[in-house]
Amino acid sequence: GAVVSQHPSRVICKSGTSVKIECRSLDFQATTMFWYRQFPKKSLMLMATSNEGSKATYEQGVEKDKFLINHASLTLSTLTVTSAHPEDSSFYICSARGAGPNTIYFGEGSWLTVV
Amino acid sequence: AQSVTQLDSHVSVSEGTPVLLRCNYSSSYSPSLFWYVQHPNKGLQLLLKYTSAATLVKGINGFEAEFKKSETSFHLTKPSAHMSDAAEYFCVVSSTSGTYKYIFGTGTRLKVLA
Repeated sequence: GAVVSQHPSRVICKSGTSVKIECRSLDFQATTMFWYRQFPKKSLMLMATSNEGSKATYEQGVEKDKFLINHASLTLSTLTVTSAHPEDSSFYICSARGAGPNTIYFGEGSWLTVV
Repeated sequence: AQSVTQLDSHVSVSEGTPVLLRCNYSSSYSPSLFWYVQHPNKGLQLLLKYTSAATLVKGINGFEAEFKKSETSFHLTKPSAHMSDAAEYFCVVSSTSGTYKYIFGTGTRLKVLA
């Protein structure tokens, strides 16, 4: 089946630095990818929709300058958390839309800890 | 706008007994509905999905769900719980027209007692 890979699976960074998380569709092309955030013991909240070759569409309340999304190719979207702070620590998960209706594949997620 | 409500934040069952996880949805369009499972410190795994075909949907690991439009419900059931079913379960709605954005419910944590 289709696979979506996220890297890194876990990352620890210092406060004030930036960290990049990659989301790759391994065996299909994904014109649309989605980025979610999950707070501890909470549900997943959609952050933004990433479209290949165009600007991402951010959900209300998500700081686009803080969470930079780039979808430069049909198989890769990246989320960069800029000037990270401890409150950015969270589980970030991406999904990619494949061909056909309602074919969405999720990555394994990335744990970010900002110290 | 779409939304889902998971009526129970925690459910405990004994091993071998039935599981019922409740989900109600709201959607302006004909919805697509999904159930995902998340084991501790893991990603999401699709259990099953409803996309306007048969109202009774069978998924993996013995789970099934029934789409009831009159009740706006999509409850997840399993005849006999297994210890490995202990996890967080999310009910998800997606519009079949538009962006395919997923709206997650708040989750139900299933505990299986030996």
